[in-house]
Formats: sequence, C-alpha cells, structure tokens
Amino acid sequence: EVQLVESGGGLVQPGRSLKLSCAASGFTFSNYYMAWVRQAPKKGLEWVATISTSGSRTYYPDSVKGRFTISRDNAKSSLYLQMNSLKSEDTATYYCARLGITIAAFDYWGQGVMVTVSS
Amino acid sequence: DIQMTQSPASLSASLGETVTIECRASEDIYNGLAWYQQKPGKSPQLLIYNANSLHTGVPSRFSGSGSGTQYSLKINSLQSEDVASYFCQQYYDYPWTFGGGTKLELK
Repeated sequence: EVQLVESGGGLVQPGRSLKLSCAASGFTFSNYYMAWVRQAPKKGLEWVATISTSGSRTYYPDSVKGRFTISRDNAKSSLYLQMNSLKSEDTATYYCARLGITIAAFDYWGQGVMVTVSS
Repeated sequence: DIQMTQSPASLSASLGETVTIECRASEDIYNGLAWYQQKPGKSPQLLIYNANSLHTGVPSRFSGSGSGTQYSLKINSLQSEDVASYFCQQYYDYPWTFGGGTKLELK
C-alpha cells in the first residue's frame, strides 16, 4: 500500500524558515517524480514544486521560486521542502504527492501538514 | 501561465442524477488534464488522467471527456459518497495549474 506521511509543519513567524518532510513507503521511491501541493484554508489547490527521480531536476512556480527548495533522499525514501523567507500567504496545508510513472498527474497524496505563518 | 476556469463553483444534485462539471483552459493543453475529488477534511484523490482515463479503483460512474481547451467530468447515477469538491488540473505545461474547484452537494 502506497503511503505518504508528511511532518514538520507548525506555526512560524514571517521571514523565518521551516522544513517539511515526507516519508514514503509501499513503492520504489527512487522510480517516481515527487511533488508538493498546497491548499490555503478554504481555498483551492496550488502546485508548489516537483523533483525528478534523481533529484537533478526541480521545478517551481514563480510564487515560491528562490524561496522554496525541494529535495529528496532516495536511500531514505524521503522527500523534503525547505521553505525560507516565509510570508503570510504561504499559510496552507502542504501535501506530498507522487506523480504516476506513465502520467504526469498526482496519483497518490499524503494526508497533509499545516503550516501557519503569523507573528 | 495557463489559466483553468472551472464551472460551476457549486452544484446541488439529487441521488441518482447525472452531474457534469466543466473546465476550460486558456490555451490548448492537448489532453494533459486530470480530475481530483476531495472529500471534507481529506486529501485529494485522482479520478481521471489524460482527460479521459479512469484511475485504478475509481468507480465507472465517473468519466472524463474533452479536447483542446474544453474538458468535462461526468458523474452518472450520483451516490451519497460523491459529495465532495472536484478540481481539474493541467499538466501540459509548467507551471501546473488547478481550476478553482466545484463543491458538489446533495439536494
């Protein structure tokens, strides 16, 4: 059974940093692209970052480029999101998601972790 | 960026009814489209990918269609467990973008 379990969320002040983790199990982690998607309270979904199987390629929208860094450790089957210079608009539930091998859609999602940016 | 416009924003339907949700892209996305279902308090789940392919384990009452800039999700014979929000997403080009969502309720 595919499982994605996020951790590391919490309350953080504007301008500070936070690092999210996602522990994967039930599949060969190193074979899959992985991503982070967020959802502000009562809002829609926003793609945040994608990383290739080896970690050599990463992709971000302009809203987080230069502030967020996605990374992975295939030996530990773990995905990370380093978030710097946090803003109030980064407040959201952050989901770790797997991309299907033959499709670019997010075929499995974690339960999500809440990040609140507030003074 | 490719804008995804989803309609309606909310929808009320009766059990057994057929429901259709629309998604329009600001440019051709060549069937690079997925539909997700999100039940209250839960994470999203993939329903449809490549515009019309049913994800593993998804009931056959769900179907996707469309091409170019216009896509739709149809739910046949609405069940109580289908009460949820539905989102479309394009993955044809970066940045990947989502529609605003459709909240489906029972009448």
